[in-house]
Amino acid sequence: DAGVIQSPRHEVTEMGQEVTLRCKPISGHNSLFWYRQTMMRGLELLIYFNNNVPIDDSGMPEDRFSAKMPNASFSTLKIQPSEPRDSAVYFCASSPDRARGDTQYFGPGTRLTVL
Amino acid sequence: DAKTTQPPSMDCAEGRAANLPCNHSTISGNEYVYWYRQIHSQGPQYIIHGLKNNETNEMASLIITEDRKSSTLILPHATLRDTAVYYCIVINTGTASKLTFGTGTRLQVTL
Repeated sequence: DAGVIQSPRHEVTEMGQEVTLRCKPISGHNSLFWYRQTMMRGLELLIYFNNNVPIDDSGMPEDRFSAKMPNASFSTLKIQPSEPRDSAVYFCASSPDRARGDTQYFGPGTRLTVL
Repeated sequence: DAKTTQPPSMDCAEGRAANLPCNHSTISGNEYVYWYRQIHSQGPQYIIHGLKNNETNEMASLIITEDRKSSTLILPHATLRDTAVYYCIVINTGTASKLTFGTGTRLQVTL
């Protein structure tokens, strides 16, 4: 099993540009989560999906952030326009079955730097 | 979900057992104790979880007190690769799936 796959691993962009982060969950997993990690705020949940449907997006910082899951094997997190304060490591995680528990498997993360 | 309290840091000699404590005095009956760890520059990794019985897997053991107000994660023979931040999380798996990561315990394994 390849685990959760995220791309790109590193992204450097300029303020105002659109950024798209991608995630491929583990095959067969029903839930997908997007987290952000910074030194100041630690690891925060942004949004999670169950069976491709967004369940809770209360952690999404503002309208500049959007997430989609068009099918069970792919999700995107988009920031438009990006700002320097969005610089962080963004993790995607998937879980086998929300109803059975919350063991989440994390990807390697995307390190985003907004200049 | 119940809040947890962990020491900010601990040291352990390689080959010795690492015992990481966690207090969760407000835990309710249907809440589980989960442990994750994060090795530098990697995503968090699931270790183990339990409700009220002690649990063991290939990575660690979890000891939960009878009143469930505290628990201890045990790494029986710590290695340098176990150096990481360890997070204790209490969650009701019957409701939301939100993992709330606190500041955790930074475990440093030394030679």
